[in-house]
Amino acid sequence: AQSVTQPDIHITVSEGASLELRCNYSYGATPYLFWYVQSPGQGLQLLLKYFSGDTLVQGIKGFEAEFKRSQSSFNLRKPSVHWSDAAEYFCAVVLDSNYQLIWGAGTKLIIKP
Amino acid sequence: SQTIHQWPATLVQPVGSPLSLECTVEGTSNPNLYWYRQAAGRGLQLLFYSVGIGQISSEVPQNLSASRPQDRQFILSSKKLLLSDSGFYLCAWRSTGDTGELFFGEGSRLTVL
Repeated sequence: AQSVTQPDIHITVSEGASLELRCNYSYGATPYLFWYVQSPGQGLQLLLKYFSGDTLVQGIKGFEAEFKRSQSSFNLRKPSVHWSDAAEYFCAVVLDSNYQLIWGAGTKLIIKP
Repeated sequence: SQTIHQWPATLVQPVGSPLSLECTVEGTSNPNLYWYRQAAGRGLQLLFYSVGIGQISSEVPQNLSASRPQDRQFILSSKKLLLSDSGFYLCAWRSTGDTGELFFGEGSRLTVL
């Protein structure tokens, strides 16, 4: 069965340090991939998406993600985090048969001052 | 531009009472509509989705129901709330034929006492 794994439940990073959030998927074909961010008590906002083409995609708020087919991964990165990046991040994959999303469990990002 | 709103934002209800959460989308027509739930410390659980007026698909059997009386209106209901219904409920939409990208409402926090 298709699945999305975010192996890190929590990640703590110092402000100004680089960030990488991991996402692995299990899916036979090339999926459509998404990263969303959720601030406390808020809805989810799309950070970036990958459908095809260049495997390094740029998103909002200075985030980027790289699709690696050989590793079935779509890791999210940011070179220098800001305190306002503290939030929960969700990776998602779409099933192309009916475009329903499969979600990872989320990674909570904590920023140390 | 498209917008999505859901209300109420916060709700505290006793066990056994009814529930009605409402979601409306503006600026688009014939969207696919979704209700998700986030329980504390858990990821996103798809509850219902709808591809058109009166068409509801249920993903998880439970004491909740959904209705779509108008093209851009999606309602989540319960006749008798359980303690386990507490959580954060998110409405989302996407355009028919798009590649799975969802747009989320602000969320509704339900506490059942």
